[in-house]
Amino acid sequence: GDSVTQMEGPVTLSEEAFLTINCTYTATGYPSLFWYVQYPGEGLQLLLKATKADDKGSNKGFEATYRKETTSFHLEKGSVQVSDSAVYFCASRMDSSYKLIFGSGTRLLVRP
Amino acid sequence: NAGVTQTPKFQVLKTGQSMTLQCAQDMNHEYMSWYRQDPGMGLRLIHYSVGAGITDQGEVPNGYNVSRSTTEDFPLRLLSAAPSQTSVYFCASRGDTDTQYFGPGTRLTVL
Repeated sequence: GDSVTQMEGPVTLSEEAFLTINCTYTATGYPSLFWYVQYPGEGLQLLLKATKADDKGSNKGFEATYRKETTSFHLEKGSVQVSDSAVYFCASRMDSSYKLIFGSGTRLLVRP
Repeated sequence: NAGVTQTPKFQVLKTGQSMTLQCAQDMNHEYMSWYRQDPGMGLRLIHYSVGAGITDQGEVPNGYNVSRSTTEDFPLRLLSAAPSQTSVYFCASRGDTDTQYFGPGTRLTVL
């Protein structure tokens, strides 16, 4: 079945470091792809999305590009801040389905 | 707009007790869903609804019931709680766009 795999954490970085969180998907077609962020004690919030191959989603300095060839949607940020410390979830959804399929989440800790 | 609200925030139950987790949204969204979040497993879909009167099972439905009598409310019932149901529960809703809005969660402990 369809699935999403993302790198295990925690990822620990110093402030202003470059961030990459890997995400790959398996699907029978071409799903929409999402990154959600969960700050401590809160629910998930949509960070960015891409709906077709080669689309780039971006928000708050984060970017991710939908790569059909490698079935990937890696999250990147050029310079992380302490306030970016959170858990990041990659997710997919087929157009024909209401259901979101989540990866296991990657915890990011940014130290001053 | 309050968005998606959930009550209670925390709950402790004994094995065999029953309870209802409440979820409400004020965005007139047709699609609502319940997830559980467990360490290292991401979010898993329990039940979902595509509109009032319509519900369906997700990935892990056993031990949970739902109903959808109104567009706004989507309660999740645990009929006989078990320690394996200790988790954080999130309710979510989605309208015509691709964005799911999540509630703040309910942390449930079953002893």
